[in-house]
Amino acid sequence: GNSVTQMEGPVTLSEEAFLTINCTYTATGYPSLFWYVQYPGEGLQLLLKATKADDKGSNKGFEATYRKETTSFHLEKGSVQVSDSAVYFCALSGRGSARQLTFGSGTQLTVLP
Amino acid sequence: GAGVSQSPSNKVTEKGKDVELRCDPISGHTALYWYRQSLGQGLEFLIYFQGNSAPDKSGLPSDRFSAERTGGSVSTLTIQRTQQEDSAVYLCASSPIPQNTGELFFGEGSRLTVL
Repeated sequence: GNSVTQMEGPVTLSEEAFLTINCTYTATGYPSLFWYVQYPGEGLQLLLKATKADDKGSNKGFEATYRKETTSFHLEKGSVQVSDSAVYFCALSGRGSARQLTFGSGTQLTVLP
Repeated sequence: GAGVSQSPSNKVTEKGKDVELRCDPISGHTALYWYRQSLGQGLEFLIYFQGNSAPDKSGLPSDRFSAERTGGSVSTLTIQRTQQEDSAVYLCASSPIPQNTGELFFGEGSRLTVL
C-alpha cells in the first residue's frame, strides 16, 4: 500500500535560517505529491504540489521537487520567517478514483525571531 | 459558505455516549472525506463519499463508526458508545470531482475528547 515517511520534529530554527523537511514515499504507480500546512488554529491548506517526476512545486518561497529515483519530495525554504511556524504534512495521492490522500505524521516547525 | 464548515469545533463527552459530528462542504464539491488526527500522529483516512454514496469505507476503525451524506452536501460522522481512544480531531475535506487534482479543501476540524 501507499505510505509516507516524514522527518520527525519538532524543528526549531532562527528567522532567516534554511529549512529542509525530508519526505519519502512508497507507492504503486505514479502518485501526485503534496505538502500541506496547518497554521495554529486553522485547517490544513495546500502549500504546493507536483504531479509527475522532476516537477518542482513552489509557493510562498517554499519548494519541493518530485524525485522518482529516490522516491522523495523534500520541502525547502531558503529563509524562514516567524510566520512560517506551523505543522507541515507531506502527502501523496494515488491514481484510483477515490484519490484519497495518504499523509505523513507531520513536522512541527517553530521559527524564533 | 466559502470554505468547509465543521461543527461542533469542540466536543467533550463521557465514555459510552454517542456523538455526531457535522461537515458542510464547499458548494459544488461532490467528493467528501473524513480523516482523524490523533495526538502526535498523522492524518488517518476514515471514509470517502462521492455524492451520497460511500465507495470507500475502508478506514472506519470499528462498527461503532458510521457516516452518511444527504443531498450530496452535508455529512454526519457518528461514533456510538465512545471510547477514550476515540479522542482526536476529526477533519472533513471536500474536493471538486471530476476536476479533482488530488487537492483537498479541509475544515478546521472537530476536537473530540472522551472522558
